[in-house]
Amino acid sequence: GAGVSQSPSNKVTEKGKDVELRCDPISGHTALYWYRQSLGQGLEFLIYFQGNSAPDKSGLPSDRFSAERTGGSVSTLTIQRTQQEDSAVYLCASSPRRTQGDSGYTFGSGTRLTVV
Amino acid sequence: AQSVTQPDIHITVSEGASLELRCNYSYGATPYLFWYVQSPGQGLQLLLKYFSGDTLVQGIKGFEAEFKRSQSSFNLRKPSVHWSDAAEYFCAVRSNDYKLSFGAGTTVTVRA
Repeated sequence: GAGVSQSPSNKVTEKGKDVELRCDPISGHTALYWYRQSLGQGLEFLIYFQGNSAPDKSGLPSDRFSAERTGGSVSTLTIQRTQQEDSAVYLCASSPRRTQGDSGYTFGSGTRLTVV
Repeated sequence: AQSVTQPDIHITVSEGASLELRCNYSYGATPYLFWYVQSPGQGLQLLLKYFSGDTLVQGIKGFEAEFKRSQSSFNLRKPSVHWSDAAEYFCAVRSNDYKLSFGAGTTVTVRA
């Protein structure tokens, strides 16, 4: 697609439920990132996929968080047993593998998750 | 580890006035630096980026930024702001492992 697509745009869930957030990166982009933006906070890195390499999971806040990327394209971020502190906007970004220079990162519009 | 500091949480500026947003970074190697803007309810849009070469970088919407290695700064400027520039602005640095680290952001309010 022309941009990074995230779904759903809004999600309200009950505490303790599992949620799945989806990201469709720009076609051909080999790098995919998930960030979390909490109210009044900056963007917190969660996880990074680059091609077929093992993902960098160093930013995942707890073992309730996991992500996968199937076929090097679509990614799903899963939060198990959601807690109220998980409420945030979850942003996905993709970038092309660079050989020279850097085209930057294209962000989706995000999924606003509210845990009640 | 790299980090970014945006000292100003909130700036209010009159329409037509100049704007400068501060950004300081901490990174051991040559930094790759970015400025993004986020309008309410929107995703992040890239304003400009610096990798090497000319330290004054031109971006979209009339913005520019200057890289100053001696001050570890990458401040964003616009000579004359428009009401549509009201948004949140994020400075970011990219490390060699391709992760972006963001500052906490600066919210810009434009008054008529």
